[in-house]
Amino acid sequence: QVQLVQSGAEVKKPGASVKVSCKASGYTFTSYGISWVRQAPGQGLEWMGWISAYNGNTNYAQKLQGRVTMTTDTSTSTAYMELRSLRSDDTAVYYCARGADTAMGNWGQGTLVTVSS
Amino acid sequence: EIVLTQSPGTLSLSPGERATLSCRASQSVSSSYLAWYQQKPGQAPRLLIYGASSRATGIPDRFSGSGSGTDFTLTISRLEPEDFAVYYCQQYGSSPRITFGQGTRLEIK
Repeated sequence: QVQLVQSGAEVKKPGASVKVSCKASGYTFTSYGISWVRQAPGQGLEWMGWISAYNGNTNYAQKLQGRVTMTTDTSTSTAYMELRSLRSDDTAVYYCARGADTAMGNWGQGTLVTVSS
Repeated sequence: EIVLTQSPGTLSLSPGERATLSCRASQSVSSSYLAWYQQKPGQAPRLLIYGASSRATGIPDRFSGSGSGTDFTLTISRLEPEDFAVYYCQQYGSSPRITFGQGTRLEIK
């Protein structure tokens, strides 16, 4: 069965960077993209971007351009999302999901990133 | 960017009743690339409907989606206790930008 397993919770100071991983199993990794979606406490879902696991092409949400980088390691079927220059309003649960430019049928369990001084 | 507006913000119903949730887009969603998700507290979203009206694998047939263009609807025919949750619509037609609605909370009356 398809599984996406994310790395554990992180606490970061403002201005720092965070890198969240998402290890995929149960399907051919390079056949699907990976999307990243975040959810601030008590808020709705915010699309951050996606990466093609086939060729590494990316599309990022405009508001995060310049601060976010999404990568993949096909040798380990793992996707990564790095967010730099963290601010308090980046505090959120970060999800990876299978699919790019499509409905997202499989999701990771989520990674809480807390930004606090 | 396509803005999705969901209504109502909160819907209070009893088990066994019919729920109708709305999602309106600021411009036409191409090829009905509209999905619905269910999210319960502390859990990741779960895909219910894609392509506006196709049920995802394992989703009970009491869930149905309809609509096209700018107006879409998620209907739950007979509410079960486990259906009370937050529901989000998502459009993925205006590549490369994906957007979500702000959510509808379905609560027990």
